[in-house]
Amino acid sequence: IVMTQSPATLSVSPGERATLSCRASQSVSSNLAWYQQKPGQAPRLLIYGASTRANGIPARFSGSGSGTEFTLTISSLQSEDFAVYYCQQYNNWPPLIFGGGTKVEIK
Amino acid sequence: QVQLVESGGGVVQPGGSLRLSCAASGFTFSSYGMHWVRQAPGKGLEWVAFIQYDGSNKYYADSVKGRFTISRDNSKNTVYLQMNSLRAEDTAVFYCAKDPRGLGIASRYFDYWGQGTLVTVSS
Repeated sequence: IVMTQSPATLSVSPGERATLSCRASQSVSSNLAWYQQKPGQAPRLLIYGASTRANGIPARFSGSGSGTEFTLTISSLQSEDFAVYYCQQYNNWPPLIFGGGTKVEIK
Repeated sequence: QVQLVESGGGVVQPGGSLRLSCAASGFTFSSYGMHWVRQAPGKGLEWVAFIQYDGSNKYYADSVKGRFTISRDNSKNTVYLQMNSLRAEDTAVFYCAKDPRGLGIASRYFDYWGQGTLVTVSS
């Protein structure tokens, strides 16, 4: 399975909405997770099961999709949200596969 | 709270060996599967290996199969990654990560991560 994220870089102004895409080369059902990684830090789980927020994740983060097309939406970007975001499929394994990442930067 | 602390990274020559450790606390370690994930400098994430809560099942990425071995000591709340025949392309930060599901079948994603340990393979 190949996981493709787009765009590679997303330039967004604070307060605006950000929409990140993740596409699987074959169906992964709803077995899709999203992670946020800031420079010099470990990744943090945001979403699992394609749409369930992990503990402590703000409601401005939402996930949707199933099968091969998935979206992570950040409804109103805060300064702390500028980071790299990765999707990961866990439907078929091994291996567990990550997408290449989307960098959300300040416009 | 859950804490995962990796150690054992460093500089090693090509063909050399290194053993990474990950000390866990804040949860019932013996009930959860554990993973290793790596990230080459400036690159994305790559899953490396998984070990079931009781050590009975282990899975590896093709890129490390036959060279790396994952193990755990539940009496010490520690998971290990023995890395042999290291190559330049193994240079990365190695993270240990916890699987969310206790006992039984793994969830296969990662709810807690350590801060990572850097492995550099260079002559």
